[in-house]
Amino acid sequence: GQQVMQIPQYQHVQEGEDFTTYCNSSTTLSNIQWYKQRPGGHPVFLIQLVKSGEVKKQKRLTFQFGEAKKNSSLHITATQTTDVGTYFCAGPASGTYKYIFGTGTRLKVLA
Amino acid sequence: DSGVTQTPKHLITATGQRVTLRCSPRSGDLSVYWYQQSLDQGLQFLIQYYNGEERAKGNILERFSAQQFPDLHSELNLSSLELGDSALYFCASSVGLTQETQYFGPGTRLLVL
Repeated sequence: GQQVMQIPQYQHVQEGEDFTTYCNSSTTLSNIQWYKQRPGGHPVFLIQLVKSGEVKKQKRLTFQFGEAKKNSSLHITATQTTDVGTYFCAGPASGTYKYIFGTGTRLKVLA
Repeated sequence: DSGVTQTPKHLITATGQRVTLRCSPRSGDLSVYWYQQSLDQGLQFLIQYYNGEERAKGNILERFSAQQFPDLHSELNLSSLELGDSALYFCASSVGLTQETQYFGPGTRLLVL
């Protein structure tokens, strides 16, 4: 079946360092969404990318959707302790209503 | 606060038992999704309902069933519970049928002893 993998699984960074998580799908995604889940919390929507090659920025966060619409990345510049949490990518496979969530990347920021 | 409510917050039960988890979507949202998140695991999509009808099925066990009622709230029924069913169960809602932002509820933490 379709799989969405994220790397790395875990990342520890010093506050102020940059962080990137990569999302790879085994099939084409019609769009991709990114969610953040704080420890003990629920996933919260961050952004949606739809077009091939699309890049969107939210303050220190930069999201990119690959040309083939099978991969995506989230880059955080100058991490802060408030960035701690697990970042998930998700998307429906083309032609389906099913949402597939990535395996997640757990970010820890050391002050 | 996402506007999605889930009850109960916590549930402790024994193997072989049956439980019902309840979800009320955001006002105006027609889609409800159910997810299972085991300890330190990702989100496993279980099932989606749209305006009362089942629209997508994921890795949902036969022991599990769900429904969405005319007032759009949804229930997830888990029966013949096993230790491995212990997990956090999230409900999410969205306005439409597909390619929509999903708003997640706070989750129900189920512990099967």
